[in-house]
Amino acid sequence: AQSVTQLGSHVSVSEGALVLLRCNYSSSVPPYLFWYVQYPNQGLQLLLKYTSAATLVKGINGFEAEFKKSETSFHLTKPSAHMSDAAEYFCAVSHSSNTGKLIFGQGTTLQVKP
Amino acid sequence: EPEVTQTPSHQVTQMGQEVILRCVPISNHLYFYWYRQILGQKVEFLVSFYNNEISEKSEIFDDQFSVERPDGSNFTLKIRSTKLEDSAMYFCASSGDRGDQETQYFGPGTRLLVL
Repeated sequence: AQSVTQLGSHVSVSEGALVLLRCNYSSSVPPYLFWYVQYPNQGLQLLLKYTSAATLVKGINGFEAEFKKSETSFHLTKPSAHMSDAAEYFCAVSHSSNTGKLIFGQGTTLQVKP
Repeated sequence: EPEVTQTPSHQVTQMGQEVILRCVPISNHLYFYWYRQILGQKVEFLVSFYNNEISEKSEIFDDQFSVERPDGSNFTLKIRSTKLEDSAMYFCASSGDRGDQETQYFGPGTRLLVL
């Protein structure tokens, strides 16, 4: 069975500081991995995805994530936080199938302080 | 840019009533999904749908739930007799675009409140 663990339900950073949101997964088959962002009262927007190509994946809004198979991790980073990055971030896994359901982590709320 | 749309954005209903949540997936997508997010909790998979039939469903998706693609463009989720615990945000998603088959695109959600 697949699962996702996001360490830290709340992360607070200062504007301009590094953002690091942690995600670990378990999967018995090669996974597809995703990060979605949810702004208040909005739906889920895809930030980036890993689908067995390059292990370092770049997404929108300056975010990137690195797939590390040995650590079963897919942490999300951004070098410099912006106030507009404040949102909830979800890591998700599916198996390597275009019909695969997404299994989501609990989510991490990112707060950006001025 | 094509997007998934959902109606209504908010729905309030009485316990025991039937509700139908509507979604218009991206037009050339082939796979359709419903997820829900109870307030303060993670997003949970309900059901996936392909080729006019359910391909997978979770244990949440019991006999009270049904899905339908009535006319080739809409994708609906029906809850036959709503319970208080059905109160949640319901998200529709679609995928299957050639060259981007694994990415699910989500609608803005319908917030359902059961009183």
